Amino acid sequence: DTGVSQDPRHKITKRGQNVTFRCDPISEHNRLYWYRQTLGQGPEFLTYFQNEAQLEKSRLLSDRFSAERPKGSFSTLEIQRTEQGDSAMYLCASSLTGLDWKTQYFGPGTRLLVL
Amino acid sequence: GNSVTQMEGPVTLSEEAFLTINCTYTATGYPSLFWYVQYPGEGLQLLLKATKADDKGSNKGFEATYRKETTSFHLEKGSVQVSDSAVYFCALRRALEQGAQKLVFGQGTRLTINP
Repeated sequence: DTGVSQDPRHKITKRGQNVTFRCDPISEHNRLYWYRQTLGQGPEFLTYFQNEAQLEKSRLLSDRFSAERPKGSFSTLEIQRTEQGDSAMYLCASSLTGLDWKTQYFGPGTRLLVL
Repeated sequence: GNSVTQMEGPVTLSEEAFLTINCTYTATGYPSLFWYVQYPGEGLQLLLKATKADDKGSNKGFEATYRKETTSFHLEKGSVQVSDSAVYFCALRRALEQGAQKLVFGQGTRLTINP
């Protein structure tokens, strides 16, 4: 068990470009979450999957954002037409159902800088 | 709505000092409460948790007690080390119900321990 992994760890892009991030959860974790963390703030919830179903989306997730988890394993988060306000750390977390369902385990994050 | 308020930082202490980081919450129902720690350049790590009133979470010398009467979950450590320097986040997760799968974080408290 290698923990939650995210790729890339850093991304610099120009305003207006599209970016895609990947998250690989802990194997057998059926729940996967995306959060965004801006400088000096705590993480804010973006969206959540149980298996391949996207069950909840925050109002923070504008039309330019889309997340998928096609086979119930890894997930991608795409941001279209990036804006400078999208610059943040994007965190992925996963959890189990069952006895330890309340604990979310976080990946190292993808730091996005939009120029 | 649900919210978490943390003691404002940064907090600077000398090694072996006693640490308290205050955390209070607002929530309906009976949330689970968490402390996460973020070391420089790393992702969020679960430090400790408590799932019901009067539970005490503990790990690595840190403790926090779930106090429903004061809606608090203060983090304490009797003798801090330089290696404890990090950002600490208090978080809640709502009791299991529709849309309850997200963590709500405080703004974080940066702790620096000087030798």
